[in-house]
Amino acid sequence: GAGVSQSPRYKVAKRGQDVALRCDPISGHVSLFWYQQALGQGPEFLTYFQNEAQLDKSGLPSDRFFAERPEGSVSTLKIQRTQQEDSAVYLCASSLSEGSAYFGPGTRLTVT
Amino acid sequence: DQQVKQNSPSLSVQEGRISILNCDYTNSMFDYFLWYKKYPAEGPTFLISISSIKDKNEDGRFTVFLNKSAKHLSLHIVPSQPGDSAVYFCAARGDDYKLSFGAGTTVTVRA
Repeated sequence: GAGVSQSPRYKVAKRGQDVALRCDPISGHVSLFWYQQALGQGPEFLTYFQNEAQLDKSGLPSDRFFAERPEGSVSTLKIQRTQQEDSAVYLCASSLSEGSAYFGPGTRLTVT
Repeated sequence: DQQVKQNSPSLSVQEGRISILNCDYTNSMFDYFLWYKKYPAEGPTFLISISSIKDKNEDGRFTVFLNKSAKHLSLHIVPSQPGDSAVYFCAARGDDYKLSFGAGTTVTVRA
């Protein structure tokens, strides 16, 4: 398919573990976003890339969160020393520079 | 600070009738508005959008209305079908491309 894909779909981590979440955007999409969705809430912005440049990381909740997109395509969101409050669905979205964002299925992270 | 609000967490409508979903925003810098539909265990799917220079946009059964003076938009679905049962998110964007979402409205279409 030509949509945004994310892996893993589900991740269970013990508190204190590091996790890495992967996003494969739609080919040719310049913009890539990460959002965090808590249960019963709408997605909340984490960070934004234009090609390989991270232009906005104002939504990252702490310095334990780190995102990269080194070649301007695949992106990885890393969370170090996970905490229970990090449990959420992490959504990746991509878009052409000014178009509507298309979302992946998300990674559901559960920290125990 | 919620800049986009969907005050109705749920809506139940009979098949064939109109569904009306409402959304309010506070940030006057928002100039592009979108509706997304989400099924369980899937990501949000883009449904319809509207630019702030318009007050209405229609796509098949879906119409979005924008009232800038009231900072209010609504999504009309007519006629409602069972496959429309989902969570609907309103989202808004300024010139920085990041989306601000409402908390969502769960629509249930009854047969």
